[in-house]
Amino acid sequence: DGGITQSPKYLFRKEGQNVTLSCEQNLNHDAMYWYRQDPGQGLRLIYYSQIVNDFQKGDIAEGYSVSREKKESFPLTVTSAQKNPTAFYLCASSSQETNQPQHFGDGTRLSIL
Amino acid sequence: QKEVEQDPGPLSVPEGAIVSLNCTYSNSAFQYFMWYRQYSRKGPELLMYTYSSGNKEDGRFTAQVDKSSKYISLFIRDSQPSDSATYLCAMSVSGYQKVTFGTGTKLQVIP
Repeated sequence: DGGITQSPKYLFRKEGQNVTLSCEQNLNHDAMYWYRQDPGQGLRLIYYSQIVNDFQKGDIAEGYSVSREKKESFPLTVTSAQKNPTAFYLCASSSQETNQPQHFGDGTRLSIL
Repeated sequence: QKEVEQDPGPLSVPEGAIVSLNCTYSNSAFQYFMWYRQYSRKGPELLMYTYSSGNKEDGRFTAQVDKSSKYISLFIRDSQPSDSATYLCAMSVSGYQKVTFGTGTKLQVIP
């Protein structure tokens, strides 16, 4: 089954700690995205990548970092510089070739210990 | 003012009712319009997408775009309890890369 897998489903971060959220897709999509979802707010774009080894900041990139070493994978690191990391994080992917909307994984909920 | 406005609800309807979900937007350059359904603790699932104005129907779902009024709607006919979820509208100027999302409307269909 083709899809986007995010892990873990739940994650807890201690003060001063960096944590990495995993996102893997087997849809052969070239573009991948990370969003943050908070109650009462729309999805906000953190980072996106259109090709391997290249990525761009979204609207709220401060305190986050990403890498795109493989087409299938786009991990997100929430660094200690992100002072309010508690949120639901969503990974998405899309195919620019077929010009189709983004498809999403099932998210990772990050909380502060 | 947000670029995309969506009533957060909750909207409660009896089973079998016709549901109307709406979004308004301010950016007249938006051309691509999407509706996603999101169940609790899950990622958004793409329901329908349209380009420019007009209607699109898929089973019990109909998406409408009125660019002159900067208004989009999603209609759900014969609503079912399984339709209970949050519905997100989304739109973009060019393609599906830079997308602006509404905050979502929570729908509850009561058996």
